[in-house]
Amino acid sequence: DIQMTQSPSSLSASVGDRVTITCRASQSITTHLYWYQHKPGKAPKLLIYAASAVQSGVPSRFSGSGSETDFTLTISGLQPEDFATYFCQQSYSSPHTFGQGTKLEIK
Amino acid sequence: QVQLQESGPGLVKSSETLSLTCTVSGASISSYYWSWLRQPPGKGLEWIGYVYYSRRANCNPCVNYNPSLENRVTMSVDPSKNQFSLRLNSVTAADTAVYYCATDVRSGSLNWFDPWGQGTLVTVSS
Repeated sequence: DIQMTQSPSSLSASVGDRVTITCRASQSITTHLYWYQHKPGKAPKLLIYAASAVQSGVPSRFSGSGSETDFTLTISGLQPEDFATYFCQQSYSSPHTFGQGTKLEIK
Repeated sequence: QVQLQESGPGLVKSSETLSLTCTVSGASISSYYWSWLRQPPGKGLEWIGYVYYSRRANCNPCVNYNPSLENRVTMSVDPSKNQFSLRLNSVTAADTAVYYCATDVRSGSLNWFDPWGQGTLVTVSS
């Protein structure tokens, strides 16, 4: 199975900050990489697909980049509603695998 | 829009069978692939498998399971109720997790989950 390693596991930031979360695959996954936002008790929400395409309805402050093994999710200008857990997923090879998640907390 | 809701017992005894159902609204069960995923406490997400139902498919339903669970998992579809289900047998404490159902979206070679249900916690007790 392809291992997905996210960093950091947790992050403290303030409203208005720019934050970056990284996801590294154990082998090349080209751009078969997705980012989700998850708030407690809610359904996870797709933010980014194909490494850099922003899902319809997702604010433009969310962006993704990367290919092969290294990927980033950037949030430019944090809003109060952005404090949540973020995780990545690969679909290059079955079974789909996920990063462990990054918990974004208010500083 | 598509909405999913998991239902089933929140407590299952060790060695017994976990059974969950996902009710789909806003789309026909034959329109998409559907996946189950889970997240044990303090751990990352694990994809359990997908199920697909179509009257035109050669397999009915078509399924694909994570090899780590395939000897204990069965997924099925009830088109009359627009539901799909998960059965996991011989459960242990390691199967304690929040279980999610999700729409398994395919676009070319890409494959992601959207939307998801809110999840349901299943605890395996001894």
